[in-house]
Amino acid sequence: DAGITQSPRHKVTETGTPVTLRCHQTENHRYMYWYRQDPGHGLRLIHYSYGVKDTDKGEVSDGYSVSRSKTEDFLLTLESATSSQTSVYFCAISESKGAGANVLTFGAGSRLTVL
Amino acid sequence: GQQLNQSPQSMFIQEGEDVSMNCTSSSIFNTWLWYKQDPGEGPVLLIALYKAGELTSNGRLTAQFGITRKDSFLNISASIPSDVGIYFCAGQLGAQKLVFGQGTRLTINP
Repeated sequence: DAGITQSPRHKVTETGTPVTLRCHQTENHRYMYWYRQDPGHGLRLIHYSYGVKDTDKGEVSDGYSVSRSKTEDFLLTLESATSSQTSVYFCAISESKGAGANVLTFGAGSRLTVL
Repeated sequence: GQQLNQSPQSMFIQEGEDVSMNCTSSSIFNTWLWYKQDPGEGPVLLIALYKAGELTSNGRLTAQFGITRKDSFLNISASIPSDVGIYFCAGQLGAQKLVFGQGTRLTINP
């Protein structure tokens, strides 16, 4: 267990409202990620972090921002939620395995519904 | 963006049957990973493959890293009810970039 906690696990909100999802890890991993999961698309990377205050964009970053003010917490913010952001959001941490591979361990997910 | 084509999208089988699924891409990957997702949970790593041609087993699961580095397959032998779930392949492009397939949903009839 990589000690990843996501909150909230479920949220329903209205279009135009801000939403923040939190990912908390207990094992001091350097790399943290936010993915979204949608039917027919698998998991797509939104943003990732490679250290405190160090973040980079993924393939579907529009409409999302992130912050990492301390190692254990990685926040995903939707400044003004839209219905297209209804999804299940997964946080992940990276653990190095053989040959420099990047093996992700995922949290349990946060289901967001934007009405 | 990069695409992984995972097939089949869904499978309906009888308990005890063998299962085979695969992922293909036009891109070359350094690493192939296979994950399983149970309902309401995050994906969990099943098998990691690091070298072209590598064949790795984890219990009843066997996965191979294609020799061209553009494909991988996962086999499950003698399926049991707890094998139900969604299986994802993922290919690693660079240091922090994993690309996921669309998933294969496995349903097992007892």
